[in-house]
Amino acid sequence: QSVLTQPPSVSAAPGQKVTISCSGSSSNIGNNYVSWYQQLPGTAPKLLIYDNNKRPSGIPDRFSGSKSGTSATLGITGLQTGDEADYYCGTWDSSLSAGRWVFGGGTKLTVL
Amino acid sequence: EVQLVESGGGLVQPGGSLRLSCAASGFTFSSYWMHWVRQAPGKGLVWVSRINSDGSSTSYADSVKGRFTISRDNAKNTLYLQMNSLRAEDTAVYYCARASSGSLVSWGQGTLVTVSS
Repeated sequence: QSVLTQPPSVSAAPGQKVTISCSGSSSNIGNNYVSWYQQLPGTAPKLLIYDNNKRPSGIPDRFSGSKSGTSATLGITGLQTGDEADYYCGTWDSSLSAGRWVFGGGTKLTVL
Repeated sequence: EVQLVESGGGLVQPGGSLRLSCAASGFTFSSYWMHWVRQAPGKGLVWVSRINSDGSSTSYADSVKGRFTISRDNAKNTLYLQMNSLRAEDTAVYYCARASSGSLVSWGQGTLVTVSS
């Protein structure tokens, strides 16, 4: 059971928009930056969004992030078949003395 | 170009030990916190451990605490994960990752650890 809760799967047609939610608590999302990671099949994860809503260099503006309270959302517009991947949210969790990093369980995006 | 290259994975029997390495290049290794993250076959990402920039502070997931030790050699630009008392449930691809601005900004390609008799 992951500390952060994501839907197991989402799907949409090419060109459409999709959102992926990530729900946590005050010890993680509520008081820390959220980041999002894309993992294409058979590859290592890649940073997609950091500090809730910032995109690293090279990430297209079709990808966006937002945070409100103890939840965060990843948005993808203009869906392409190449966006089919697993997406994970992550953040720091300060519920334990030494702290720990936590991930959501991952969301599989299918572009129909 | 930032590069993280893991090595040291392989097949090990339950109860055995393994040491993973992560060779870093393309950035000032000694300035960054580093993490280990693992992914069991067909499963999601699970955080394992992290170490601060000078190696003076570490933390671990409950599932590996007391069995795994993270360390680093800033002179060799290398991160380590010593894994003892390995269990079948430790079978996974292990990734090292560089942390910055509260996120895991760079990832290695991973090394597979299989615990089986």
